[in-house]
Amino acid sequence: NAGVTQTPKFRVLKTGQSMTLLCAQDMNHEYMYWYRQDPGMGLRLIHYSVGEGTTAKGEVPDGYNVSRLKKQNFLLGLESAAPSQTSVYFCASRTHGGGTDTQYFGPGTRLTVL
Amino acid sequence: GESVGLHLPTLSVQEGDNSIINCAYSNSASDYFIWYKQESGKGPQFIIDIRSNMDKRQGQRVTVLLNKTVKHLSLQIAATQPGDSAVYFCAENTQGNKLTFGGGTRVLVKP
Repeated sequence: NAGVTQTPKFRVLKTGQSMTLLCAQDMNHEYMYWYRQDPGMGLRLIHYSVGEGTTAKGEVPDGYNVSRLKKQNFLLGLESAAPSQTSVYFCASRTHGGGTDTQYFGPGTRLTVL
Repeated sequence: GESVGLHLPTLSVQEGDNSIINCAYSNSASDYFIWYKQESGKGPQFIIDIRSNMDKRQGQRVTVLLNKTVKHLSLQIAATQPGDSAVYFCAENTQGNKLTFGGGTRVLVKP
């Protein structure tokens, strides 16, 4: 299994540009999450999904949109990028039930907005 | 809102010694806790977890202790190795589907 994968690994945008980050997991997990991590800080939840076709806001949702059209994919969109969105973005997934709430993380996408 | 915090932002430890990383949490309703390790340029990696009905749990070279009375969580790493150098995060589960992460502690292993 590849686990959780993210594309792209790096991206540089200009202010106002748009882009989509892709997260894919091959573990058949129901839940998926998007976080951002800023220098010297922990992870903050942007949006999450508890199943195909469902999404919900996290702690810092403004400026981002998400979609979960397929169970294995979770997309994070920036419609009009701002310098404040310069960060490292991590996707995570977890199963439902089974006695564990552990989230498994992807390798991250480093985004710079100029 | 509820949050998870850490006492020490940086911990320097001699190779071979034991490391102890501390974490305070504020939500008494938290029922599940996880420790993650994050190496430079990588995503967080699961180390060990513990549920609120337990006080202690051991893994390979790691032990997590939970003190619900004072809302304190710790991670002990035995015989710390250079490969243990990383940032360690604690996280708590309070709302079923979501985790709240602490700010992280950097562990530096000196040869």
